[in-house]
Amino acid sequence: EAQVTQNPRYLITVTGKKLTVTCSQNMNHEYMSWYRQDPGLGLRQIYYSMNVEVTDKGDVPEGYKVSRKEKRNFPLILESPSPNQTSLYFCASKIGTDSAGHQFFGPGTRLTVL
Amino acid sequence: AQSVAQPEDQVNVAEGNPLTVKCTYSVSGNPYLFWYVQYPNRGLQFLLKYITGDNLVKGSYGFEAEFNKSQTSFHLKKPSALVSDSALYFCAVRVAGYSTLTFGKGTMLLVSP
Repeated sequence: EAQVTQNPRYLITVTGKKLTVTCSQNMNHEYMSWYRQDPGLGLRQIYYSMNVEVTDKGDVPEGYKVSRKEKRNFPLILESPSPNQTSLYFCASKIGTDSAGHQFFGPGTRLTVL
Repeated sequence: AQSVAQPEDQVNVAEGNPLTVKCTYSVSGNPYLFWYVQYPNRGLQFLLKYITGDNLVKGSYGFEAEFNKSQTSFHLKKPSALVSDSALYFCAVRVAGYSTLTFGKGTMLLVSP
């Protein structure tokens, strides 16, 4: 089944404890992206990647890191999480890098930083 | 800069009645417009998109949307609502040739039996 998977689905952590949220897609998509969803703000893009070893900042990149060493994986790293990073996070992917394609979304990761 | 406005936080409609979820956008350049739906505890699912051509776009689950360039709008419509259509709907825009997809804040659609 074609899908985007994220792990973990739920995570409660404490301020300053480094964490990684994994994202993997099995559709051989070039483009991958991370979003955070907050009530009243919709989805905001954190980082995106056009292909392996190619990443760029979205609208809200502060406090986050990403890497794209393999085409299928795009982990989101929080080096020193803070309470304002408590949110619902979505990974997405799409075929190609043209702007007309639509994205496939993962199931989401609900992160709570205490 | 590009932006999307969904002026209604919530839309209430009775089952069987037509529904409209509003979306307006602001971009510099040619817009690519998308609608996504999010069911409780799920990720977003693609409904439909406008890239070029016919202004009326048909998508999944009987939904359609009309691109109106003069009003910079892309309203989502369905002739007859179902209770199962109750969900959170997002409009999004991307400028042709660019990678950033900008979402609206979302509109909660509640269809009553």
